[in-house]
Parts: sequence; structure tokens; C-alpha cells
Amino acid sequence: AQSVAQPEDQVNVAEGNPLTVKCTYSVSGNPYLFWYVQYPNRGLQFLLKYITGDNLVKGSYGFEAEFNKSQTSFHLKKPSALVSDSALYFCAVRERNYGGSQGNLIFGKGTKLSVKP
Amino acid sequence: EAQVTQNPRYLITVTGKKLTVTCSQNMNHEYMSWYRQDPGLGLRQIYYSMNVEVTDKGDVPEGYKVSRKEKRNFPLILESPSPNQTSLYFCASSPRTGGNEQFFGPGTRLTVL
Repeated sequence: AQSVAQPEDQVNVAEGNPLTVKCTYSVSGNPYLFWYVQYPNRGLQFLLKYITGDNLVKGSYGFEAEFNKSQTSFHLKKPSALVSDSALYFCAVRERNYGGSQGNLIFGKGTKLSVKP
Repeated sequence: EAQVTQNPRYLITVTGKKLTVTCSQNMNHEYMSWYRQDPGLGLRQIYYSMNVEVTDKGDVPEGYKVSRKEKRNFPLILESPSPNQTSLYFCASSPRTGGNEQFFGPGTRLTVL
């Protein structure tokens, strides 16, 4: 069965420092991988995704993530955190279905990122 | 503007009183889905639809119904709400192919007393 793990409930970072939000997954074959962000009282917003190709994916707001097949990880990173990055971050995985239909998106439980001035 | 809309945004109701949460998207997406978000549990899928008249259960379908009579609309129906359905609900849509990201609505916060 597909699953996604975000091992940290909360990550605390000082503004200007690099940040990492961890994500590991379990799925058969090569997955599609996504990161979403949720600001308070808002819906989820798409940040970035890995489909194929370069393992380092760049997304919105200066975020990037690295797909590591051997470690089945897709950690979210940013070189210099901003206070405005404080939010809830979700990793998600979808099994790659070569039949053409879309498998369902499985979400991690979320990691709360807190960036202090 | 491309968007997913949900109504109502906030709802307080009582046990057993039927309610419907509407969801509409203007992007001509085939795939639509309902999730509930609960603290410590992340997002869990309730129902999804691959296209018009095609719906299927997600991970937590008990107590919910859906319909997909038109491509743009995917209402969530609670025939007899119970307090354990108090949650934050999100509707999402996307094109059919697997590499596409989902677009989320703003959420509906439901309280069942």
C-alpha cells in the first residue's frame, strides 16, 4: 500500500537559516511526488512536483526538493527561510499508473514550519 | 480566474440534519475529489470522481455521499451528520493525467453538534 511519512510534526528555524522539511514514501514503482503548503485559514497551494528527469526540482517561493530514489525521500528545502514561510507543509505521492488513469494522491500528516525573526 | 469554489465556508449544524457542501471548478478538469483534514491525521480522501457519472470511495467514505452529474460540480452530501464528522473539508480538482497537481478549494469548516 502507498504511504507517505513526514517524521517531524514541527520544524523550527531562525529567519535567514536554511530549512529542510522531510518526507519519505513507500509506493511501488516510480511515483509522482508533490509538496503543498497551507497557510492559516486557507486551502492547500501547490509548491512543486517531481515527475521525471532532474532529481532537484525547483518550485514557488524559492523552495526546492530533491528526489532520492534509493532513500525513497523527497525532502523540501530552502536556502534562506523567511518568517512568511511559516505554514503547514504537506508531502504527497501518487503511484505512476501506466494504464493512463490517475491514481489517488496520498498525503502525509503535515509538518508545521515555524520561522522566527 | 481558474479556481475551485466551495460553499458554505463555515457551517454549524445539529446531528441528523441533512446538509450539502457544494464544490465547483471552472478549469474543465476531469478529476475531482473530497478530503477531510483533522489535526494529526493530515488529509484523508472521502470520495473521488474520474469523470461525469464516475465516482468511487476513498479512504473514509462512511457517512458521506457524492454525485457528479456535471463536469464542473461535485457536491458532498451528509445525509445524517454526526459529531465525528466535525472537520475541515476540502474539494480539489485536476486534469486526468497522473503528473498534474490538484487545485484545492478554500475549505469548509463543519461543526456538528
